[in-house]
Amino acid sequence: AQSVSQHNHHVILSEAASLELGCNYSYGGTVNLFWYVQYPGQHLQLLLKYFSGDPLVKGIKGFEAEFIKSKFSFNLRKPSVQWSDTAEYFCAVNAASNTGKLIFGQGTTLQVKP
Amino acid sequence: DAGVIQSPRHEVTEMGQEVTLRCKPISGHDYLFWYRQTMMQGLELLVYFNNKAVMDDSGMPKDRFSAKMPNASFSTLKIQPSEPRDSAVYFCASSLAPSGGLQETQYFGPGTRLLVL
Repeated sequence: AQSVSQHNHHVILSEAASLELGCNYSYGGTVNLFWYVQYPGQHLQLLLKYFSGDPLVKGIKGFEAEFIKSKFSFNLRKPSVQWSDTAEYFCAVNAASNTGKLIFGQGTTLQVKP
Repeated sequence: DAGVIQSPRHEVTEMGQEVTLRCKPISGHDYLFWYRQTMMQGLELLVYFNNKAVMDDSGMPKDRFSAKMPNASFSTLKIQPSEPRDSAVYFCASSLAPSGGLQETQYFGPGTRLLVL
């Protein structure tokens, strides 16, 4: 069965620090990968997604993620975080098999100190 | 587009009562998903529909939960009888159908925060 693992459960950073959130998945076939963000009290919003092509994907608000197939990873990065990036971040995976079903990781809470 | 619409936004009820959560997907989206979010379990998929038909309800406790999609623009998730352990935020999401093996983005609603006393 597919699963998604986010190793960092709670991350605390100061403003301007660099961010990297880990995401690993277990599935041997072709996958579609997503990062969603949930700001306090709000619903999930898509940050970025990878379907195919360039493994380095750029999303909104300066976020990017790199798909490394050999490592089954899709880590999220941002060179310089802001206080407004305080949120919960979810990695999700879908096997490219027309099921429409996403499997989410447990989420990582990011707290950015001003 | 108004996005995915959910109602109510908050619901407080007593154990044993029936609870009905409602969702209106984005117009034209063929897929509709119901998720439950708790501190302990994170985000869990309960059930999802494709063109109003249930595709996968393996994540839904079937003894007390039921989901319906009577038409393309409306879905309900019903809990009867409700229990304190059902307290969670319930999200509805919708997407276009996958095309050429590519998964379309799911768009989430604002959620319904349910508290069962």
